[in-house]
Amino acid sequence: EIVMTQSPATLSVSPGERATLSCRASQSVSSNLAWYQQKPGQAPRLLIYGASTGATGIPARFTGSGSGTEFTLTISSLQSEDFAVYYCQQYNNWPRTFGQGTKVEIK
Amino acid sequence: EVQLLESGGGLVQPGGSLRLSCAASGFTFNNYGMNWVRQAPGKGLEWVSSIGGGGGTTYYADSVKGRFTISRDNSKNTLYLQMNSLRAGDTAVYYCAKGGWLYAYDIWGQGTVVTVSS
Repeated sequence: EIVMTQSPATLSVSPGERATLSCRASQSVSSNLAWYQQKPGQAPRLLIYGASTGATGIPARFTGSGSGTEFTLTISSLQSEDFAVYYCQQYNNWPRTFGQGTKVEIK
Repeated sequence: EVQLLESGGGLVQPGGSLRLSCAASGFTFNNYGMNWVRQAPGKGLEWVSSIGGGGGTTYYADSVKGRFTISRDNSKNTLYLQMNSLRAGDTAVYYCAKGGWLYAYDIWGQGTVVTVSS
């Protein structure tokens, strides 16, 4: 099983600042990596797929990068609606696995 | 509008059974793999099971293998999860999500709550 490790567990950021979230895979997942956003009481929402392609309707301030085992989600200028939990997921191997999540909170 | 709507959750005793349904609309259902993902209270996301568009290929997490069965009825645009021998550790919100092999999960349902307790 591929273990996905996200860091940090919690990120405190002021509105308008940049946030950088990391995701590391225990073995290569190529570019088959997705990022999801989840707000309290809501279902997850796809942000990024293929490690760097924005999903439909996702603002340009969300960008993804990386391949193999190291991935990054960057939110260029945090808006109030961006404070949430973010998960990475690999869909290269079975079983599919998620990271434990990074909570982005208001500083 | 592309939509997934889960149903069938509820309170069940340990050892009991439950069948979840996920009704799909707004896309050609049989063209896409489908998935179940769960989230225990206060915890992260856990992949549970996946099924191919034709229904012939299935995958399961080790934690549910032998107890849960994923299936689909393409004539009804509906995905199912039959859950048997339920345990307290199966308590979670269960989401269905659209996404085939080597595809991320681009559409999610709102979730249905399963509580396993005596």
